[in-house]
Amino acid sequence: NAGVTQTPKFQVLKTGQSMTLQCAQDMNHNSMYWYRQDPGMGLRLIYYSASEGTTDKGEVPNGYNVSRLNKREFSLRLESAAPSQTSVYFCASSGPKGWREAFFGQGTRLTVV
Amino acid sequence: DAKTTQPTSMDCAEGRAANLPCNHSTISGNEYVYWYRQIHSQGPQYIIHGLKNNETNEMASLIITEDRKSSTLILPHATLRDTAVYYCIVRVLMYSGGGADGLTFGKGTHLIIQP
Repeated sequence: NAGVTQTPKFQVLKTGQSMTLQCAQDMNHNSMYWYRQDPGMGLRLIYYSASEGTTDKGEVPNGYNVSRLNKREFSLRLESAAPSQTSVYFCASSGPKGWREAFFGQGTRLTVV
Repeated sequence: DAKTTQPTSMDCAEGRAANLPCNHSTISGNEYVYWYRQIHSQGPQYIIHGLKNNETNEMASLIITEDRKSSTLILPHATLRDTAVYYCIVRVLMYSGGGADGLTFGKGTHLIIQP
C-alpha cells in the first residue's frame, strides 16, 4: 500500500512564482490535512478537509489555497510564493478512527528564494 | 485543546526503557492523550492514545496519572531507531466521516538513544 503520496519531494521557487503541491491517499479516508513545519518547530495546520467537498482553514492559512479534488486528492496551492513560505509541507489523512489511524506523507521540501 | 509541556530533549541508553513525561494540567474530562513521533525528515507516526486507563500496544505503553494531569510514554526496550521527536497531544476524540479537524503539534521531546 502506498498510503499518502506527496509530489514533488523537493522544489525551489522564486519569489512571486506559483505552484501546487499534490497529495493523494489510497486508504479511502474521508479527512485530509496540510501542515507546514519550519526548522526546530512543531507542525502547524494550514488547511483541512473533513470530507469530500469541504475545506476549512487551520492555524496558518494565509497565502495558501486548497482544493479537495475528490476523495483521494487534496492539493495545496501557493499563488505568489514568499520566502516566509520556505518550509517542509506534510499532507495527512485520517480514517473512521480519526487520529488513531492517521497517516502522513513523506513531505515536500520547499525553498523560496 | 489543553496545552502540554514536555522536556526539550532526553537521552536513553540502547536496550533500556525510555520514559517520556508530559504534563497536561488543564486537561478536561473528554480530552484524550495522543502520542506521535517524528523520525528525522519523515512525517509523524501515531504511537498510542488513552483517556484515563493505562494503555499498551506493540510499540509502547502509556501511563496516565489518576488525576489525568500528566502522563508517561514508555518505550520498553529502546533501539537506535527510536531516536525521534515525540509529541504529546491532548484533544477531544474526533471521528472522521462526521468531520475531523487537525491535531496541534507542539515542539515535542527530542529523544536520543545512545549506543
